[in-house]
Amino acid sequence: NAGVTQTPKFRVLKTGQSMTLLCAQDMNHEYMYWYRQDPGMGLRLIHYSVGEGTTAKGEVPDGYNVSRLKKQNFLLGLESAAPSQTSVYFCASSGGLAGVLGSYNEQFFGPGTRLTVL
Amino acid sequence: AQKVTQAQTEISVVEKEDVTLDCVYETRDTTYYLFWYKQPPSGELVFLIRRNSFDEQNEISGRYSWNFQKSTSSFNFTITASQVVDSAVYFCALSLYNTDKLIFGTGTRLQVFP
Repeated sequence: NAGVTQTPKFRVLKTGQSMTLLCAQDMNHEYMYWYRQDPGMGLRLIHYSVGEGTTAKGEVPDGYNVSRLKKQNFLLGLESAAPSQTSVYFCASSGGLAGVLGSYNEQFFGPGTRLTVL
Repeated sequence: AQKVTQAQTEISVVEKEDVTLDCVYETRDTTYYLFWYKQPPSGELVFLIRRNSFDEQNEISGRYSWNFQKSTSSFNFTITASQVVDSAVYFCALSLYNTDKLIFGTGTRLQVFP
């Protein structure tokens, strides 16, 4: 099993350009997430999905869009990149809520994508 | 509001020293989950432990141990006899029941020198 993979690993964009980050998981997980990590800020949730065809906003959704057309993939899009979006982006997946106390499923993270917007 | 505070930004120790990483959380919910993740220099995030709010038993896994105290809203992480390979950023995180969203602290960078 590859677990959670992210494409690309590195990318440099100019202000105003667009791009899509791809996250794929092979664990048949229901839930998927996109985080950004900035120095001194920890990880902050951008968007997440609790199943194929569903998406929801996280803590810092502005400037990003997402889609979950297939259960195994979760795409993060930047329509018009800004320097403030320079960050490391992490995708994660989990089995979701088991509904039974003590059987909560932890999140598994991808290796990250380092994005620089000039 | 929910919050996780890791007041220690950076800790440096010499190999074989014991070190404790502090984590204080805030929530009004009675059911929640606490996590620790490790981020080594390679950048990936590695899951270390999960606790639910009804299980205050301390946990030990090799050189790692965790102390969960609801009375002080703390979930501290101790590494015994630290090694150079323990050098990493460690994140504490909180999730509420039925949300499945993680709220991360800002992390503590641990440097273990030989």
